[in-house]
Amino acid sequence: ETGVTQTPRHLVMGMTNKKSLKCEQHLGHNAMYWYKQSAKKPLELMFVYSLEERVENNSVPSRFSPECPNSSHLFLHLHTLQPEDSALYLCASSQDRAGGGTDTQYFGPGTRLTVL
Amino acid sequence: EDKVVQSPLSLVVHEGDTVTLNCSYEVTNFRSLLWYKQEKKAPTFLFMLTSSGIEKKSGRLSSILDKKELFSILNITATQTGDSAVYLCAVVRGNTGKLIFGQGTTLQVKP
Repeated sequence: ETGVTQTPRHLVMGMTNKKSLKCEQHLGHNAMYWYKQSAKKPLELMFVYSLEERVENNSVPSRFSPECPNSSHLFLHLHTLQPEDSALYLCASSQDRAGGGTDTQYFGPGTRLTVL
Repeated sequence: EDKVVQSPLSLVVHEGDTVTLNCSYEVTNFRSLLWYKQEKKAPTFLFMLTSSGIEKKSGRLSSILDKKELFSILNITATQTGDSAVYLCAVVRGNTGKLIFGQGTTLQVKP
């Protein structure tokens, strides 16, 4: 247990569905991240939130929409996804995004998403 | 363009062997280098390296960073089947805290 939880753990959805992934961290961290891990590819950073403000968006398609209502919760809203969006979506948190905090990110267990 | 390259991409050894995993990088404004172990789902943190030449050690695992030659190695001695996993190297870039991951090395340890 890393102190970062994600729900659901598995999700199957059609291309016309709307769903949301949830991440919660119990570590008192100030920064949270969404990553995508596709088969045989490196981890891809999608979004970074620091103190609830989005600070980096790595040119992710608009069908992925993040939301960070507070420093402990992070959502990824999904709509009209494509089959190539099927992947493992990982949430992570760190003490601080930059500066005086540590750089170590602690990952949740991930959500395995399948888009039919 | 920033990049992190790991080698080998996959490795099969027998229990008791010693392995060395490599990670080289070209990253603007390097801040630190992290090693993770990923078995089923989420990566688990192993080491964070910021200074050259200082070995970090945890049990049978150790790692060192060379900031002049821009690489790091992860050593595992007396390997066990439980060491089978994907080992990820990531570099933290400058003030953004952005993590750039390598492709990973898949290690399989046979009994």
